[in-house]
Amino acid sequence: AQSVTQLDSQVPVFEEAPVELRCNYSSSVSVYLFWYVQYPNQGLQLLLKYLSGSTLVKGINGFEAEFNKSQTSFHLRKPSVHISDTAEYFCAVAGSSASKIIFGSGTRLSIRP
Amino acid sequence: DGGITQSPKYLFRKEGQNVTLSCEQNLNHDAMYWYRQDPGQGLRLIYYSQIVNDFQKGDIAEGYSVSREKKESFPLTVTSAQKNPTAFYLCASSGEDYNSPLHFGNGTRLTVT
Repeated sequence: AQSVTQLDSQVPVFEEAPVELRCNYSSSVSVYLFWYVQYPNQGLQLLLKYLSGSTLVKGINGFEAEFNKSQTSFHLRKPSVHISDTAEYFCAVAGSSASKIIFGSGTRLSIRP
Repeated sequence: DGGITQSPKYLFRKEGQNVTLSCEQNLNHDAMYWYRQDPGQGLRLIYYSQIVNDFQKGDIAEGYSVSREKKESFPLTVTSAQKNPTAFYLCASSGEDYNSPLHFGNGTRLTVT
């Protein structure tokens, strides 16, 4: 069975500061990992994905994430945030079936001017 | 532009009434999904369909029904048997590979009083 844990429900940061949103997963099989972003009253958009290969994955809007197999983590980072990054961020893990994409509970990122 | 259209964006119903949420996609995706989103709980899978005329229950299917008569359409009916129907409902689709990311609609917010 797979599971995803997002350790922080809310992360407040100042504009132009760096941010890290934490995600840990558990799985008995090889996994594919995703980060999605949700702006208020909208659906989710894919930020980035890790399928295989390089453990550092770059996504849209300046975000990146690093797959760490030994620590079963896939933390999302951005070196300098902008007000427009205010949103909720979801980590997700997929295994052997598209129907079994598991989402974390989300982290709400709030940016202070 | 290709995408997923959910309608209506807001829906209000009285308790005891069935209500159907629409989801249409023009991405030519085989797989379609319905998720329910509640604050602090991430996304929970209600139903999914990997091919026309076939669908499977997700983790919280009780009180819901779906149909998949056309590849482009995957409507969700929230029945009166659903004990707590007020929520944000998201429809998604994906390609045939099990590591394909999900594409989401903008959601329908259902309020039942």
